[in-house]
Amino acid sequence: DIQMTQSPSLLSASVGDRVTLSCKASQNIYKYLNWYQQKLGEAPKLLIYYTNSLQTGIPSRFSGSGSGTDYTLTISSLQPEDVATYFCQQYNSWYTFGAGTKLELK
Amino acid sequence: EVQLVESGGGLVQPGASLKLSCVASGFTFSDYWMSWVRQTPGKTMEWIGDIKYDGSYTNYAPSLKNRFTISRDNAKSTLYLQMSNVRSEDTATYYCTRDQNTYFDYWGQGVMVTVSS
Repeated sequence: DIQMTQSPSLLSASVGDRVTLSCKASQNIYKYLNWYQQKLGEAPKLLIYYTNSLQTGIPSRFSGSGSGTDYTLTISSLQPEDVATYFCQQYNSWYTFGAGTKLELK
Repeated sequence: EVQLVESGGGLVQPGASLKLSCVASGFTFSDYWMSWVRQTPGKTMEWIGDIKYDGSYTNYAPSLKNRFTISRDNAKSTLYLQMSNVRSEDTATYYCTRDQNTYFDYWGQGVMVTVSS
């Protein structure tokens, strides 16, 4: 199985900050990487697919990058509604998820 | 509007069986692969398996293959998850998702399953 490691597990930031979340795969996943946002009490929502493609309706302040084993989700200017847990998910070999990064306001 | 609505969860004893359902609307159900994904109380997400749009093929996470069965009824736009010989570690929220064979673009609201005596 491909293991996905997200860091940090908890991130505190202020409104307007540029925020970077990391996801590391245990082997090369060739950019087969998606990001989801899960707000408290809600189902996950797809944000970004294939490393850097923005899902329809997602604000442009969200972006993704990476290659090989290392991937990043960036929020260019944090908004209060971005408070959530963010999960990465690989699909190079079946599907596995990271443990999530919980993003809170400072 | 795409909607996925799960049902059938609840409290179940270890070793019992349970069948979850997911009714889909807002898209042509028979055109899409579908998956089940679960989330434990500790928030760990695990893909359970998926089923081809016509129901002819299924894939499962190796650790769950022998106890879980996914099926569908396209005439009813309904996806199913049959769980057998459940264990305490199956306690989770179970999500029905539309599967694009790469990402999961729509998720239901989830249904909770608690395995306890």
